[in-house]
Amino acid sequence: GAVVSQHPSRVICKSGTSVKIECRSLDFQATTMFWYRQFPKKSLMLMATSNEGSKATYEQGVEKDKFLINHASLTLSTLTVTSAHPEDSSFYICSARERDRGYEQYFGPGTRLTVT
Amino acid sequence: QQPVQSPQAVILREGEDAVINCSSSKALYSVHWYRQKHGEAPIFLMILLKGGEQKGHDKISASFNEKKQQSSLYLTASQLSYSGTYFCGTEALFNAGGTSYGKLTFGQGTILTVHP
Repeated sequence: GAVVSQHPSRVICKSGTSVKIECRSLDFQATTMFWYRQFPKKSLMLMATSNEGSKATYEQGVEKDKFLINHASLTLSTLTVTSAHPEDSSFYICSARERDRGYEQYFGPGTRLTVT
Repeated sequence: QQPVQSPQAVILREGEDAVINCSSSKALYSVHWYRQKHGEAPIFLMILLKGGEQKGHDKISASFNEKKQQSSLYLTASQLSYSGTYFCGTEALFNAGGTSYGKLTFGQGTILTVHP
C-alpha cells in the first residue's frame, strides 16, 4: 500500500508556457501533500505544503503566483508552473501523508521538467 | 535550517560498514531517513520519533539522540544495492489555520558507493 503516482514523468516545454503536474495517492487518502524540487546532485527543497480543502502554505522564497498548487481532493494535488522559464527546469517530487497512517511521507516517482 | 549530514560521501567494499550522521541546530520532533537512487524518488527507510529510540531492519539501523539533536544511520555488511544518496529529514511542527502540521527539512545528502 501507500502508493503515490505523478503525471507526467517527464515534460519538455517552451519558455512562456504553463505546465501542470498531478500527484495522486492511489490507495490512501492524503490529508497532506508536499511539493519538492530537486536540482542535480542537490537535496530536496520543500516548496509548499497543501492540505485538502485549504490554501497551500508556501516556503519562503517560493512564488505562489508562479507555482500554483491545488489540493482538490483527498487523493489529488496539482502543481502548475506558470509561464515557465529555463530556470524552472528541475525534478519536481510530491509526497503524501495520511494522518491516520502516522508520520511517514510517501513519495511519488517525480516529474522532470525541462524548459527550452 | 537544513540539518547537516556527514560525511558527504562514503566509498565501501561489499561487506563493510558505514555510519551516516545527521545533526540539527533546532529541537527535533522526529527524524526520517531516505535513500535515493539516481533519477528516482526517495525511498523511505525509517522514522525515529522519540529521543533514545533505535530502530532497524535487515542490516540497516538508526538511532536518535533527542538531547543532542542528532541521528545516525548504521549500515552493516553493506551490499551493492545500498549504493545511493542517503538523506535525513528532520521534522518540525508548524501551525496553519489553528492546526499543527509537520514538515521535513532534508539534509544535503550523503553519497554512498558500494563496490564489489
